Order: sequence, then C-alpha cells, then structure tokens
Amino acid sequence: AQSVSQHNHHVILSEAASLELGCNYSYGGTVNLFWYVQYPGQHLQLLLKYFSGDPLVKGIKGFEAEFIKSKFSFNLRKPSVQWSDTAEYFCAVSPRDYGQNFVFGPGTRLSVLP
Amino acid sequence: DTAVSQTPKYLVTQMGNDKSIKCEQNLGHDTMYWYKQDSKKFLKIMFSYNNKELIINETVPNRFSPKSPDKAHLNLHINSLELGDSAVYFCASSIGYGEQFFGPGTRLTVL
Repeated sequence: AQSVSQHNHHVILSEAASLELGCNYSYGGTVNLFWYVQYPGQHLQLLLKYFSGDPLVKGIKGFEAEFIKSKFSFNLRKPSVQWSDTAEYFCAVSPRDYGQNFVFGPGTRLSVLP
Repeated sequence: DTAVSQTPKYLVTQMGNDKSIKCEQNLGHDTMYWYKQDSKKFLKIMFSYNNKELIINETVPNRFSPKSPDKAHLNLHINSLELGDSAVYFCASSIGYGEQFFGPGTRLTVL
C-alpha cells in the first residue's frame, strides 16, 4: 500500500520568509499529486495538482511545487509567506490504478509570525 | 450554488446514540468519499463510492455505514456512538481519482 510522509510537523516562519514543505510518497506506479490547504476552522482547499507534463506546477496564492520522480517527492514552495498563509498543509497522492486509495500525508502546520 | 454540502455542521450527542450525517454534491462527480479528521488533524479515508458501489472500506468499524441513494448523495450513518468517534467528518467528491472537492465538515462531539 502506498504511503505519504511530510517532513515537518510544525514550521514557524516570519513574514516574507521563504517556504519549502517536503512531501515524499511510496508507490511504484503512476500517480496524481496534490497539495491541499486547510485554514483554521475551514475545510480543505486545493492549492495545486500534478497529473503529467511540466514537473514544476504553479498553484493559487503564489504557491508552486516540483515533482521529482526519481526522489518520489513533491515539495511545496513559496518565495515569500504572509501571515494569512498560516494553516495546515496536506500532501496527497492518488495512484492511477483502479481501486487504489487516495492517501493524505499527516499534514504540516505552518505558523507565520507577523 | 455550494459544490459539496454537509449537514449538520455541528452534532453533539450522547454515547450509544445513532446519528446520520448527510452529504450532497452538485458537481456531477462520480465518486464520493467520507474522511475522519482527528484532533491532531490526521485525515483518514473511511469510505468511497463510485457509481453507487462501495470501492474502499478502510477497516472502519461496522457501526459506520455509508448510504448512497444516488450519485449526488453519500450519507454516513453511525450506530452506538462512542467517545472515540468524536472528530470532524469531511465529505468529498471527485471525477474518478482526480482532484477531490471537500465539504465544510461536520464536527461530531460524543459526550
């Protein structure tokens, strides 16, 4: 069965700092990759997704992620964070094989200090 | 025009009771899911339905039963509620195994 790991449980940054959140997955087949964000008290919203093509994908709110197939990684980046980016971030993997689970990572809490 | 809706938003009940949470999506998606998010924010998939057939059941206790009257609805019924069932339950939908759209969540508190 596939699994998803996220490198950091809690990241604390000051405004304008650069962000990189790590995500690795274990699955040998072809996958779709996602990053979701959950603002305090809210539901999950899609930040960006990768299905195929250019491994550097851009999402909403200035976020981007790079798929490195050889490393089974899909790290999330933002050059300059804002206080409003304070949230929980989830990496997710969806294998394209029928019947395989859609799996979320454990999440990384990002706290941005004003 | 809400894409994925859930009712109720909050549910407070006593141990041993039976309760249901409803979910509806108006996106025309063919797959719907239920997730449980615990106090540590960990998301665990409970069920998914594709074209009215259960295709995933992640060793969830049989006190939990999903019911899908049609492709746009996936309700969650819970029998004999226990303290450990307290969590936020999210419904989601997708086309196949693509991007999932989430509902606002139902916070269940079992006393």
